[in-house]
Amino acid sequence: EVQLVESGGGLVQPGGSLRLSCAASGFTFNGYSMNWVRQAPGKGLEWVSYISSSSSTIYYADSVKGRFTISRDNAKNSLSLQMNSLRAEDTAVYYCARSTSYYDSGSYRYYFDYWGQGTLVTVSS
Amino acid sequence: DIQMTQSPSSLSASVGDRVTITCRASQGISNYLAWYQQKPGKVPKLLIYAASTLQSGVPSRFSGSGSGTDFTLTISSLQPEDVATYYCQKYNSAPWTFGQGTKVAIK
Repeated sequence: EVQLVESGGGLVQPGGSLRLSCAASGFTFNGYSMNWVRQAPGKGLEWVSYISSSSSTIYYADSVKGRFTISRDNAKNSLSLQMNSLRAEDTAVYYCARSTSYYDSGSYRYYFDYWGQGTLVTVSS
Repeated sequence: DIQMTQSPSSLSASVGDRVTITCRASQGISNYLAWYQQKPGKVPKLLIYAASTLQSGVPSRFSGSGSGTDFTLTISSLQPEDVATYYCQKYNSAPWTFGQGTKVAIK
């Protein structure tokens, strides 16, 4: 059974830092790319960051570029998100999500097939 | 970046009704479109990918269609357990943009 368990959320002051983790089990972690997706209270879903299976390709949403860093440790089946210079608008539940891919029209295409339970990050003074 | 727009933002229908949700991309995305269901207080769940392929275990009353810029999610016979917010998402390339969501309620 695929399991994704996030941790590391909490209350942090504006300008502060926080590191989120996602522990993966039930699948071959180093065979899948991974993502972080967030959801502000009462709002919709916002994709945050993507990392390929080998960490060779990384993408960020414009809203977090230069402040957040995604990484993974395939030996430990773990995904991380280092969040710096946090703002009030970063307040959200952060989900890790697995990507499943298929090859079509010259490129791999990735959709999100499993999601963790999420961890709440609150940025407030 | 490509924007994803869903309509309506919310709807209310009776049990057994046919429900249709629309998602429009600001540029063509072929069929690289997924639909997710998020029940109140729960985690998003993949329903459909490749615009019309049902994820394993998803009830057959859910279906998807479309290509290019216009897509639909249809629930053929609304059930009480379908109360949720539904999101479309493009995945042709980064960024993986979601629609704003459609909240479905029972009348």
